[in-house]
Amino acid sequence: GQQVMQIPQYQHVQEGEDFTTYCNSSTTLSNIQWYKQRPGGHPVFLIQLVKSGEVKKQKRLTFQFGEAKKNSSLHITATQTTDVGTYFCAGNQAGTALIFGKGTTLSVSS
Amino acid sequence: NAGVTQTPKFRILKIGQSMTLQCTQDMNHNYMYWYRQDPGMGLKLIYYSVGAGITDKGEVPNGYNVSRSTTEDFPLRLELAAPSQTSVYFCASRSNRGYEQYFGPGTRLTVT
Repeated sequence: GQQVMQIPQYQHVQEGEDFTTYCNSSTTLSNIQWYKQRPGGHPVFLIQLVKSGEVKKQKRLTFQFGEAKKNSSLHITATQTTDVGTYFCAGNQAGTALIFGKGTTLSVSS
Repeated sequence: NAGVTQTPKFRILKIGQSMTLQCTQDMNHNYMYWYRQDPGMGLKLIYYSVGAGITDKGEVPNGYNVSRSTTEDFPLRLELAAPSQTSVYFCASRSNRGYEQYFGPGTRLTVT
């Protein structure tokens, strides 16, 4: 069945450093979504990417969808302590339910 | 709007007991979902519903049941609780015009 894999599982950075998490699917996706979950909280939607090669930015966050629509990345520039949490990618094929990756947990020390 | 609400927040069950996790949304969303989240894992879909009266199995439905008698409510039933069902359960909803899923605050369940 469809699988969505994320690396790394954990990442610790110093405040101000950059951070990237990668998402890879075993199948071609219709779209990919990214969610953030703060410690003890619930997932919160960040963005959806639909087009091959799409790049979207939200302030210090840059999201990319691969040309083959099988991979994606989230890059955070100059991390802040407010960026702490677990970032999940989730993808699906047309008409199917979202499959979530296991997430990348980011910790930031000041 | 309250969004998606879940009750209870925490619950401890003994093996073999049953319980219902409640989920309500006030956004008039057609789609509703139940996920479980185990430590270090992503979210696994248990059941989902595309509208009142329609439910379908997700990736890990065994040991659970759902019903959807109204647009607002989507309860999840555990009939014979097992330690493997210890997890955090999230309910989510989305509209049929959008793709963003809105999650509730979760129910932390321990079965001992």
